[in-house]
Amino acid sequence: QKEVEQDPGPLSVPEGAIVSLNCTYSNSAFQYFMWYRQYSRKGPELLMYTYSSGNKEDGRFTAQVDKSSKYISLFIRDSQPSDSATYLCAMSAYEAFKTIFGAGTRLFVKA
Amino acid sequence: NAGVMQNPRHLVRRRGQEARLRCSPMKGHSHVYWYRQLPEEGLKFMVYLQKENIIDESGMPKERFSAEFPKEGPSILRIQQVVRGDSAAYFCASSRDRAEGYTFGSGTRLTVV
Repeated sequence: QKEVEQDPGPLSVPEGAIVSLNCTYSNSAFQYFMWYRQYSRKGPELLMYTYSSGNKEDGRFTAQVDKSSKYISLFIRDSQPSDSATYLCAMSAYEAFKTIFGAGTRLFVKA
Repeated sequence: NAGVMQNPRHLVRRRGQEARLRCSPMKGHSHVYWYRQLPEEGLKFMVYLQKENIIDESGMPKERFSAEFPKEGPSILRIQQVVRGDSAAYFCASSRDRAEGYTFGSGTRLTVV
C-alpha cells in the first residue's frame, strides 16, 4: 500500500463547476498537508499549505484535512479553463525530512 | 527575485555517460530537495541537502547517483554511467524552513539514448 493514494483521473468538468480533489494516506504521523498545481512541462506550484486538521480558504480554493479519517480534500469553486492542470497532494511529518507526494489528478475544465 | 533556477532544461546523454544537473535555490533558502518524476507517476523524493551537508538521501539509489550543495555555488545532482531507466524529469525545490512548502524549479528533462 502506498503512503499516499490519489485518483489519477482524468477529471473533466464544465467551466464554473465546483471541483473536488481528494487524497487518502496511511501514515498517522503526517502533520503538514499541501496541494500543488502542475501545468504540463512545468514545475509544481504550491497552492495550499495546512497544519493538522481543519479548513483553510484562499480565494476560490479551500483545503480540508480530516486526520481521523486520514483524508484530505481540495475544493475549487467557479472553476476556469486556466485551472486545467495536474493537482498533487503532498504531506510530511515534522520529524521526517521529506515530503511525500501523491501521483496527481489531471483536471480538465471545459469552456 | 528569481525563483529556483535549474539548468539545463533538457539534457540528452548516451548510455554510460555522466549527467550533471544544477540547481540554484531561491535567495534566502538554505534547504534543497531533489525529486524525480516519471510519466504518469508522482514526484519521488531523492535527497535533501543543506549547505555542505546531506541530511537525508534515503530516496537516492546507492550506486551511480550523488548530490552535493557546496558552500558556494549551486546544488549538483550527478548521475554516473547513465542507463535508459534514468530518463525522467528531475525537479529541484528549496525552502527557507523545513516546515514549509517548497518552491520548485522548472525541472531538467533527462533523456538517455
